[in-house]
Amino acid sequence: DGGITQSPKYLFRKEGQNVTLSCEQNLNHDAMYWYRQDPGQGLRLIYYSQIVNDFQKGDIAEGYSVSREKKESFPLTVTSAQKNPTAFYLCASSATGGTGYTFGSGTRLTVV
Amino acid sequence: GIQVEQSPPDLILQEGANSTLRCNFSDSVNNLQWFHQNPWGQLINLFYIPSGTKQNGRLSATTVATERYSLLYISSSQTTDSGVYFCAASNTGTASKLTFGTGTRLQVTL
Repeated sequence: DGGITQSPKYLFRKEGQNVTLSCEQNLNHDAMYWYRQDPGQGLRLIYYSQIVNDFQKGDIAEGYSVSREKKESFPLTVTSAQKNPTAFYLCASSATGGTGYTFGSGTRLTVV
Repeated sequence: GIQVEQSPPDLILQEGANSTLRCNFSDSVNNLQWFHQNPWGQLINLFYIPSGTKQNGRLSATTVATERYSLLYISSSQTTDSGVYFCAASNTGTASKLTFGTGTRLQVTL
């Protein structure tokens, strides 16, 4: 079955550490996205990529980095420069034009 | 960028009741979608509806693009309908960069 896999489901980070969240899709979608969700809030776009080897900043890109070396994979690194990283992170993919939007099950990141 | 507002923010229904959720957006759109987030955080795409009307079982949606709003109808609600309903819209060239509203939290009780 096609879908999006995010790992890990739960992640704990110490102050000053970088962590990388994994996102893999087998839907043959060109576009992939990372969103951040804080408690009781909507989703905010961190980064998106419409094609391999190209990505764009979203509304809250500071303190995050991404890569898109393969069509299937879009990992997100939360760097030590992100001052408030505790949140629920959701990866999504879609066909060109935004149809078929599909989300992964998310990663809950906590700073300890 | 485009602004997306949803109402009401919270809704409590008894099982079997009907409800209407509203989404207003600030500009013309080339992409409008409704999602349901279950209590475990999983988001499910309900409708891709930049204009017109669609129905899927007990759910239906209507977008009136000229008046910049969309409505999600839930009929004969069930406890499994509980969760948060998000509207998301785009007016960018690629139509894929969605801006989300803050959601309507629905609780269906027995």
